[in-house]
Amino acid sequence: DGGITQSPKYLFRKEGQNVTLSCEQNLNHDAMYWYRQDPGQGLRLIYYSQIVNDFQKGDIAEGYSVSREKKESFPLTVTSAQKNPTAFYLCASSIVRQGGEQYFGPGTRLTVT
Amino acid sequence: LAKTTQPISMDSYEGQEVNITCSHNNIATNDYITWYQQFPSQGPRFIIQGYKTKVTNEVASLFIPADRKSSTLSLPRVSLSDTAVYYCLVGDPQTRGSTLGRLYFGRGTQLTVWP
Repeated sequence: DGGITQSPKYLFRKEGQNVTLSCEQNLNHDAMYWYRQDPGQGLRLIYYSQIVNDFQKGDIAEGYSVSREKKESFPLTVTSAQKNPTAFYLCASSIVRQGGEQYFGPGTRLTVT
Repeated sequence: LAKTTQPISMDSYEGQEVNITCSHNNIATNDYITWYQQFPSQGPRFIIQGYKTKVTNEVASLFIPADRKSSTLSLPRVSLSDTAVYYCLVGDPQTRGSTLGRLYFGRGTQLTVWP
């Protein structure tokens, strides 16, 4: 079964701790993305990557970091510098071609107290 | 970055056709129009995409006028399970080196289908 997996589904952390969210895809997609969603809001782009070992900041990259060492994996680290880390985090991937659709994972709900 | 305007919410009854219109006045020549559906606590799911005129698949139809400044997603005979948030996106997300990934999801349209 091809798809995107995110783990864990729910994550709880204490304020001041860094936390890493996992995203894996077996769709052989070149591009991967991380979005953040707050209650009642749309998705906001955090980081994206078109190819291994390369990534670009999205619209709200401050307080986050990523790596893309393998095509299948694009982990997101929420650092202690992120002021409001509690949110629903979504990972997506896509083929890099004109008009290609993005496939989303099930999401990770992070709660920081 | 082309942004879109769509109604915040819509209501319908089972079996009716629902049309959700999206405005995108500053759409660029290379931009596609894409619609996604999202259920609570899930990732969005691709519904349909078009560039001009009309596109139809097994789930929906997408109508795009000649000036491409708006588009209408049409859901035939909705059911309770179509209750979700629908996002209209405009962009050219897949050209390498371009604004890849910079799709603006906005707040979407909350469609509620009643029995």
